[in-house]
Amino acid sequence: GQQVMQIPQYQHVQEGEDFTTYCNSSTTLSNIQWYKQRPGGHPVFLIQLVKSGEVKKQKRLTFQFGEAKKNSSLHITATQTTDVGTYFCAGPGGGNKLTFGTGTQLKVEL
Amino acid sequence: EPEVTQTPSHQVTQMGQEVILRCVPISNHLYFYWYRQILGQKVEFLVSFYNNEISEKSEIFDDQFSVERPDGSNFTLKIRSTKLEDSAMYFCASSGDGSNQPQHFGDGTRLSIL
Repeated sequence: GQQVMQIPQYQHVQEGEDFTTYCNSSTTLSNIQWYKQRPGGHPVFLIQLVKSGEVKKQKRLTFQFGEAKKNSSLHITATQTTDVGTYFCAGPGGGNKLTFGTGTQLKVEL
Repeated sequence: EPEVTQTPSHQVTQMGQEVILRCVPISNHLYFYWYRQILGQKVEFLVSFYNNEISEKSEIFDDQFSVERPDGSNFTLKIRSTKLEDSAMYFCASSGDGSNQPQHFGDGTRLSIL
């Protein structure tokens, strides 16, 4: 079945440093969604990318969808303590279900 | 902003017992989902529900599980004969009309099987 992998699994950064998580799917995706889950919280939708090579920005967050529509990345510039959490990519797994990636847990230290 | 609500927030049950997890999706949403997240792991799809029937289910969603929309607002997940490995966080989600819409998640129910 479809698999969605993310690297790294964990990332510790100093506040102000940049952070990137990479998402790779075993199959071509029609779109990719990104979610953030704070510690003890629930996944919260961040963004959806649809077009090949698409780049979208939300303040300090930059999302990219690969040309082949099998990979994606999320880059955070100048991390803050509020960025702490686990970032998941998710692709459509048939019907309306989402296949979540393995997630990257971000910790930000002062 | 409308949100998905789930009850209870925490359920502790003896192994072998039945549990019912409850969800109230966002009122104008048409697609409803249940996901499971074992502690420290990724979010796993269980089942999707549309137009009063299951539209898709995963391998995890076997005969032990069932879903129901008993009225116009609630969406429930029933787990029969619970096992230790059913211990997890269960998230309900809903999305609007159309394919590949963003999914809105509830706060989850933490299920602990003793």
